[in-house]
Amino acid sequence: EAGVAQSPRYKIIEKRQSVAFWCNPISGHATLYWYQQILGQGPKLLIQFQNNGVVDDSQLPKDRFSAERLKGVDSTLKIQPAKLEDSAVYLCASSLGLIQPQHFGDGTRLSIL
Amino acid sequence: QQQVKQSPQSLIVQKGGISIINCAYENTAFDYFPWYQQFPGKGPALLIAIRPDVSEKKEGRFTISFNKSAKQFSLHIMDSQPGDSATYFCAASTSGNTGKLIFGQGTTLQVKP
Repeated sequence: EAGVAQSPRYKIIEKRQSVAFWCNPISGHATLYWYQQILGQGPKLLIQFQNNGVVDDSQLPKDRFSAERLKGVDSTLKIQPAKLEDSAVYLCASSLGLIQPQHFGDGTRLSIL
Repeated sequence: QQQVKQSPQSLIVQKGGISIINCAYENTAFDYFPWYQQFPGKGPALLIAIRPDVSEKKEGRFTISFNKSAKQFSLHIMDSQPGDSATYFCAASTSGNTGKLIFGQGTTLQVKP
């Protein structure tokens, strides 16, 4: 079974620029999550999709972050404009359903200069 | 109320020893407690999980002990090996909700040969 795929693996941008991350979940997984992991901390949920609908986006900074999951499969997370504090690893995870074990990708490491 | 507090922040154990990591929570609605293992540059991987209807769960060298009255749970790694050197995260969620995971701050384990 192929795991959760994420790209790019690394991204370096200057503050105020925009950036996008892509995630392809495990085939058949209805639930998709985006987490932010700041160095030395545990992952923090940004947004959760069930198929192509948003279940939880309470911790997503909506003035600069957006995410979509078209057709209930792949997802993109966008930051525009980026701030220095957005430097982190952005992890995508997927699960069969809402309360099923979550499987993580290896993340995108974002550095803001 | 939504926090999960993890300790210690870092841990050094000799090969063959027992590694113990502790977590505490406040929200009594939490009913799913997984542990994740994360190697540098990789996403978290589910190690073992427990629900509060049992006080202990063992899988190979990994054991979760759960104390519902104290609102605490811990991970024990028996016969620790250098290959176990990684960062470990406890987490908690409420199955009656969206299944959103709340992660602890993480424990960096180093097993010395």
